[in-house]
Amino acid sequence: EVVLTQSPGTLSLSPGERATLSCRASQSISSDYLAWYQQKPGQAPRLLIYRASSRATGIPDRFTGSGSGTDFTLAISRLEPEDFAVYFCQQYVDSRRTFGQGTKVEIK
Amino acid sequence: EVHLVESGGGVVRPGGSLRLSCAASGSTFGDHGMSWVRQVPGKGLEWVSGITWSGDSTDYVDSVKGRFTISRDNAKKSLYLQMNSLRVEDTALYYCARGFNFGPFADWGQGTLVTVSS
Repeated sequence: EVVLTQSPGTLSLSPGERATLSCRASQSISSDYLAWYQQKPGQAPRLLIYRASSRATGIPDRFTGSGSGTDFTLAISRLEPEDFAVYFCQQYVDSRRTFGQGTKVEIK
Repeated sequence: EVHLVESGGGVVRPGGSLRLSCAASGSTFGDHGMSWVRQVPGKGLEWVSGITWSGDSTDYVDSVKGRFTISRDNAKKSLYLQMNSLRVEDTALYYCARGFNFGPFADWGQGTLVTVSS
């Protein structure tokens, strides 16, 4: 089973600042089968990034995914008020299709 | 994009059963693998089960194998999850999601809450 560890647990930032979220895998994720999701309170998760760096339909270009192997990053270039949420990474190469525990991006 | 609406959640005693349904709108439901993903409110996400577009292959997380059964009816654009022998630890919000083998979960419903309690 691929275990995904996200850091930090909470990121306190101001609107306009840059956010950098990390997702580390316990083993290499082949074909970069890693996704990022955003979840706001009371809402379902929303797909942001797939294949580590491809933006899903309608996702603004301030969201950038990068990385390969075991280390992946989601960057938000300039935080908008609507970006304060919880972010999960997820791998879909292993049959368990596991998620990270999440990083909360909160307003400082 | 597929619009998904779950139903069938509720309160059930340990050992009981529930059947969740997911109704899809959009013309491409039958083209995609589908999954159920659950989340304890305020906690993380766990993939539970998935099924290929044709229904000929299914998979489950170990903790529900032998108790849950996923199925679909492409003519009705519907996905199902039959949950038997429910346990307290199955309590969660259950989401229907588009995606299964080697693909992300691209579309999500709003979820249906399952509470297992005596």
